[in-house]
Amino acid sequence: DSGVTQTPKHLITATGQRVTLRCSPRSGDLSVYWYQQSLDQGLQFLIQYYNGEERAKGNILERFSAQQFPDLHSELNLSSLELGDSALYFCASSVDRTGRGYGYTFGSGTRLTVV
Amino acid sequence: GQQLNQSPQSMFIQEGEDVSMNCTSSSIFNTWLWYKQEPGEGPVLLIALYKAGELTSNGRLTAQFGITRKDSFLNISASIPSDVGIYFCAGRDTGTASKLTFGTGTRLQVTL
Repeated sequence: DSGVTQTPKHLITATGQRVTLRCSPRSGDLSVYWYQQSLDQGLQFLIQYYNGEERAKGNILERFSAQQFPDLHSELNLSSLELGDSALYFCASSVDRTGRGYGYTFGSGTRLTVV
Repeated sequence: GQQLNQSPQSMFIQEGEDVSMNCTSSSIFNTWLWYKQEPGEGPVLLIALYKAGELTSNGRLTAQFGITRKDSFLNISASIPSDVGIYFCAGRDTGTASKLTFGTGTRLQVTL
């Protein structure tokens, strides 16, 4: 157990629908990062939050949004889902804004299947 | 999105063999990290490198931060079956917050 908790583990939904993925960072970590991993692909950075504020943005689609709450858990909202959104979505956390010292700690991911 | 070039893409080796994989970038990074991902799990940090030229070991794993700051390699000595997985390099660039850019991964298979 890495200490980063992601729910749900699996999600199957239809095109056009909206889903919310949840992440609880490791205790004491203030930064949360979201990554997308498509089949046989590397990890694509989506977005980072630090202590409730958006810190960095990657190739995140306009249909996707995220937020980090006062208790530091984060949610990734995916709307108007398309078949191509099927992927593993990982959340990672780090102890500080720059993530130095320990790299990131990843959760086990949420596997999203859009049918 | 930007990705690091990682090679080889996949490797099939026999137990006991040594493994070498590398990662190159067109950009300079100030941190290089190596992760391993097993099926159904998130990547797990293996080694972190913070200084150009740094050579760091973690058990049978050794990684180096290239002098040019644009590359890194990972060696695994005397491979065992549990080394199976996908190995990712990741770099943190000098300017942008703290996001990591990941390599395309090296899939390692170990046969007995």
